[in-house]
Amino acid sequence: EAGVAQSPRYKIIEKRQSVAFWCNPISGHATLYWYQQILGQGPKLLIQFQNNGVVDDSQLPKDRFSAERLKGVDSTLKIQPAKLEDSAVYLCASSHTSLAYGYTFGSGTRLTVV
Amino acid sequence: GENVEQHPSTLSVQEGDSAVIKCTYSDSASNYFPWYKQELGKGPQLIIDIRSNVGEKKDQRIAVTLNKTAKHFSLHITETQPEDSAVYFCAASLIGNFNKFYFGSGTKLNVKP
Repeated sequence: EAGVAQSPRYKIIEKRQSVAFWCNPISGHATLYWYQQILGQGPKLLIQFQNNGVVDDSQLPKDRFSAERLKGVDSTLKIQPAKLEDSAVYLCASSHTSLAYGYTFGSGTRLTVV
Repeated sequence: GENVEQHPSTLSVQEGDSAVIKCTYSDSASNYFPWYKQELGKGPQLIIDIRSNVGEKKDQRIAVTLNKTAKHFSLHITETQPEDSAVYFCAASLIGNFNKFYFGSGTKLNVKP
């Protein structure tokens, strides 16, 4: 099966600019996750979708981050305005259901804010 | 919430030697513990996992052990090879709680040929 697709792979923006990341999960996977991975740290969950509904966004900085999952398939994560501390790799992952053991990550988008 | 600590942060071994990475978790309710391998420029890849009703699990050269009483689990890699060089992450989760994973900070494993 095809993996989790993410784009772009790399993005460099200036602080206060906006940026958007796109994720296409594995076909049929109902649960989609966005994780933030700061250099040298483990991934941290930002938001989790079950189909097109949000089930956990407790760690999402809602004043600047937003995410949506239209039609329960693709998802976009947006940052507006970006701060220097947002520099990280943004990983998308998906699983068949929220009860599935383990899930599949995409290759991520590396964001550098200068 | 859950807190996962991982040690060591870096590990260097000679090819053919064994490598051990250890993690502790804080929430006794956690019942699922996956290990991920992340190569440069790639997303984490699941390599092995263990559920709380099992004490040990093996898959060829890798094994994971779990001590629920002490709330720690470990990854063991035997006969290491240069292609094992990567960053390894442990995680803890409560299956049924929307499968939210709490990751450790990672261990960079370097296998010297």
